Amino acid sequence: DTEVTQTPKHLVMGMTNKKSLKCEQHMGHRAMYWYKQKAKKPPELMFVYSYEKLSINESVPSRFSPECPNSSLLNLHLHALQPEDSALYLCASSQAGATNEKLFFGSGTQLSVL
Amino acid sequence: AQSVAQPEDQVNVAEGNPLTVKCTYSVSGNPYLFWYVQYPNRGLQFLLKYITGDNLVKGSYGFEAEFNKSQTSFHLKKPSALVSDSALYFCAVRVPSGGYQKVTFGTGTKLQVIP
Repeated sequence: DTEVTQTPKHLVMGMTNKKSLKCEQHMGHRAMYWYKQKAKKPPELMFVYSYEKLSINESVPSRFSPECPNSSLLNLHLHALQPEDSALYLCASSQAGATNEKLFFGSGTQLSVL
Repeated sequence: AQSVAQPEDQVNVAEGNPLTVKCTYSVSGNPYLFWYVQYPNRGLQFLLKYITGDNLVKGSYGFEAEFNKSQTSFHLKKPSALVSDSALYFCAVRVPSGGYQKVTFGTGTKLQVIP
């Protein structure tokens, strides 16, 4: 299994809603990532988890809250988002402790904030 | 700071012709360079990487990339383009970090292969 699975594929939410994005992989990867991608732009790193511990938070607003409950799962909890948060949210994974390994990406969640 | 630049927003090429997507890099120390491809409404897929060794790196789907240290370039190439190669291509450089892959992506180049 060389897939990173993200659910849901599409999400529409209001600014007062609370929702969660889910990411799952069964490749034994111990590093997992959240990226945000605006249309026709490169992905921007948001968070990195290494061995289930938060290693990087790229100054992301607190309305985004990541969670890594176990080595296969990564969640992104959303609360009180703004319309400018509408984007494609990508999850990725890689081997941890290894240098220069490739990232495996999921297909993303297309988020629209109304 | 580690960075990559993709000077072309879009590249158009006729089917069957060779294609080149350009990337230049700016790094301190040894560069760790990658190419990823993104098809519409999909995540990124790894194509190839250069770490060390031969300057010509071969990757997935018939793509290859040439590392040129003197020109600080890492151009993506394919001898004969297919319509199915039409996609968004990102060059990336690994930023020194701990036991995870922190990469910085270029701005992307849209490849359009014309039948």
